[in-house]
Amino acid sequence: DIQMTQSPSSLSASVGDRVTITCRASQGIRNDLGWFQQKPGKAPQRLIYAASTLQSGVPPRFSGSGSETEFTLTISSLQPEDFATYYCLQHNSYPYTFGQGTKLEIK
Amino acid sequence: EVQLVESGGGLVQPGGSLRLSCAASGFTFSTYWMTWVRQTPGKGLEWVANIKYDGSEIYYVDSVKGRFTISRDNAKNSLYLQMNSLRAEDTAVYYCSKGGHCDEWGQGTLVTVSS
Repeated sequence: DIQMTQSPSSLSASVGDRVTITCRASQGIRNDLGWFQQKPGKAPQRLIYAASTLQSGVPPRFSGSGSETEFTLTISSLQPEDFATYYCLQHNSYPYTFGQGTKLEIK
Repeated sequence: EVQLVESGGGLVQPGGSLRLSCAASGFTFSTYWMTWVRQTPGKGLEWVANIKYDGSEIYYVDSVKGRFTISRDNAKNSLYLQMNSLRAEDTAVYYCSKGGHCDEWGQGTLVTVSS
């Protein structure tokens, strides 16, 4: 199975900060990766697919990059509604696997 | 607007069975892969299974192989997850998701396996 290692597992930041979350794959997965945001008590929502394509309706302060084994999700200027948990998902080979999550908290 | 509504969760004893359903609307269900994902309380997400739009391809995570069965009824715009031989570690919120890459999600249904 492909292991997805997210870092950091938690992060404290302030409104207006630029933050970056990383996902590393245990083997190359091309760009077969999505990023998801989950708020407490809610279902996840996809933000980015194909590693760098913004889901319709997602604010452009979110961006994704990377390929093969290293991927990043960047939020250019944190807004209050961005404090949540973020997950990556590889869909290159079965079983698909999620990263363990990054909890983004208000400093 | 895409809507995915899961149902069928509840409390079940270890070794028991449950059948989850997901009613889909707002898109052409018969042309999309569909996926089940679960989340254990306070923990992360785990991909469980998916099924091709015509049911001809199905994949599972190893931990549920031989116990869970994913299926669909395109005439009813519905996705199912038959869960047998349930274990405590299957306790989770189960989400139905549109597409092979989870582009839309339902609100989830809680399955609790406990005596």
